[in-house]
Amino acid sequence: QKEVEQNSGPLSVPEGAIASLNCTYSDRGSQSFFWYRQYSGKSPELIMFIYSNGDKEDGRFTAQLNKASQYVSLLIRDSQPSDSATYLCAVRLGNFNKFYFGSGTKLNVKP
Amino acid sequence: DGGITQSPKYLFRKEGQNVTLSCEQNLNHDAMYWYRQDPGQGLRLIYYSQIVNDFQKGDIAEGYSVSREKKESFPLTVTSAQKNPTAFYLCASKQGPTEAFFGQGTRLTVV
Repeated sequence: QKEVEQNSGPLSVPEGAIASLNCTYSDRGSQSFFWYRQYSGKSPELIMFIYSNGDKEDGRFTAQLNKASQYVSLLIRDSQPSDSATYLCAVRLGNFNKFYFGSGTKLNVKP
Repeated sequence: DGGITQSPKYLFRKEGQNVTLSCEQNLNHDAMYWYRQDPGQGLRLIYYSQIVNDFQKGDIAEGYSVSREKKESFPLTVTSAQKNPTAFYLCASKQGPTEAFFGQGTRLTVV
């Protein structure tokens, strides 16, 4: 079982719609959760991080964490073509500095 | 400016050669990481280091070696034992529970 799992997509949404990206993790001791965006050929860039159960909002982005279900999601409101990229979920395991990534979900926002 | 510098950006290796990828950070971060990314895939952990003179294997360490003699530097050597080294290599650093910061990556190709 992989430490972090994501649907590879592609997920296609029309411009202006809400995109919902999901991630599950296997280690109940995981403490920190991150969403990165990666454009083709570039390095990942941080969008949001979340440590506590519940929702965290930052502009058009909302991260949701449910530790009981071992589930973290990212909502992108008013999706724009510039949001088209691969979104990587990352998890920091327990008290260690192991930092694992999912395989990423490719998002296409159609004009 | 604070950040992580990877060099070179592109690297070509002949079969049977060892090559070393450089990663330097001036963020004063304790933890550093090396990931490998294949086309259309997520990031897989090769090695990580939580402190100077200490490092641990990740999931795909075979055929790779690292050193951490200085806090700022975490070079990765791709040895001839790595049979399929063509990939995009990403170095990252982080401090405590915060997000990881990435370098711009090195694209390695076997010729």
